[in-house]
Amino acid sequence: EPEVTQTPSHQVTQMGQEVILRCVPISNHLYFYWYRQILGQKVEFLVSFYNNEISEKSEIFDDQFSVERPDGSNFTLKIRSTKLEDSAMYFCASRLLLPAVIFGPGTRLTVT
Amino acid sequence: AQSVSQHNHHVILSEAASLELGCNYSYGGTVNLFWYVQYPGQHLQLLLKYFSGDPLVKGIKGFEAEFIKSKFSFNLRKPSVQWSDTAEYFCAVNAREGGFKTIFGAGTRLFVKA
Repeated sequence: EPEVTQTPSHQVTQMGQEVILRCVPISNHLYFYWYRQILGQKVEFLVSFYNNEISEKSEIFDDQFSVERPDGSNFTLKIRSTKLEDSAMYFCASRLLLPAVIFGPGTRLTVT
Repeated sequence: AQSVSQHNHHVILSEAASLELGCNYSYGGTVNLFWYVQYPGQHLQLLLKYFSGDPLVKGIKGFEAEFIKSKFSFNLRKPSVQWSDTAEYFCAVNAREGGFKTIFGAGTRLFVKA
């Protein structure tokens, strides 16, 4: 069964550093998402991406965040200058046409 | 805007007990409803979904959920839980008007005692 994959599984970075979280969505999917889950809290929407542009972004997704689909397969989330409060599990997700979104395994980001 | 509320944050059951986790959503239009499960240390997995049709939907591992439109509810049920059902369960909703952006409830952490 096709899966969304994410790398790395765990990223540790120092405050103020840039990080790039990588995702490979399911190959024929058209819509891509990033979500995050701070430890012990609920899953929060960050951004949706379709047709090579952002469709919608949440209040969390400020100027420090950006997304890219640099080639036909990868979908990346960049945080330019990480803060302690960016520590969370980041989930990439994708879907084709049906509304059900398939999630990747997540990248645990720890900012020290 | 859509929102989802889950009634119980923590549930503890013994094996073979029946499970019902409450979920209510707030949105006036047509919605799609989901339950996701997150086993300890693992990622979110789709347990079941409702788009339209029969309001009683069956998912994996013996779970089912019933959509009651008049109550804006989508409760998750399982007649007899197992220790391996210990996990966190998230109710979620999306809609075409929101670009199918999926909104999650706060989650219910289920612990099943062996």
